[in-house]
Amino acid sequence: SQTIHQWPATLVQPVGSPLSLECTVEGTSNPNLYWYRQAAGRGLQLLFYSVGIGQISSEVPQNLSASRPQDRQFILSSKKLLLSDSGFYLCAWSVSRVTEAFFGQGTRLTVV
Amino acid sequence: AQSVAQPEDQVNVAEGNPLTVKCTYSVSGNPYLFWYVQYPNRGLQFLLKYITGDNLVKGSYGFEAEFNKSQTSFHLKKPSALVSDSALYFCAVRVPAVRKLIWGLGTSLAVNP
Repeated sequence: SQTIHQWPATLVQPVGSPLSLECTVEGTSNPNLYWYRQAAGRGLQLLFYSVGIGQISSEVPQNLSASRPQDRQFILSSKKLLLSDSGFYLCAWSVSRVTEAFFGQGTRLTVV
Repeated sequence: AQSVAQPEDQVNVAEGNPLTVKCTYSVSGNPYLFWYVQYPNRGLQFLLKYITGDNLVKGSYGFEAEFNKSQTSFHLKKPSALVSDSALYFCAVRVPAVRKLIWGLGTSLAVNP
């Protein structure tokens, strides 16, 4: 069966520090991968999606970047965090663009 | 513009009563519709989907949803609510030509004992 791992679960980082959140998927090949941010426990904002290794699409210009160095690995990064980067970050995968997405457990990022 | 609306921020229902969480959409083309549930500080869990076929879709944990093309709605329902159903519910829609899901803002469901 397929599983998705996302870590860490919680992170507190100072303003100006770098960020690296990692997500890996097991049990499937060539998944579509997604990074979302959820602010204030509500709406989901799609940040990046990837349909293959090295293929990243950015939905919203901001202080973050994403990379997919391996088929089932998706990394969210920042060189210098801002206070406004605080939020709940969710990684997800899907088999294709028409199927449901499956989510990781999320990372609560607090920038102080 | 393509959009999904969840008109109720919060729904309150007594345990044992039927529940409905509403979702309407506005998209071009035939939509693929999804419901997800989120418990506090957790990722979203997939509940059910409508792609094609029977308008009544059954999903996890006793939930079901009815696709109504004329009303462009996809309401989530359960015949008898449990306290453990209390969570945040999201409706999402995908149009085949678009890679990403369009999300509603979520409805907080509170089931009172």
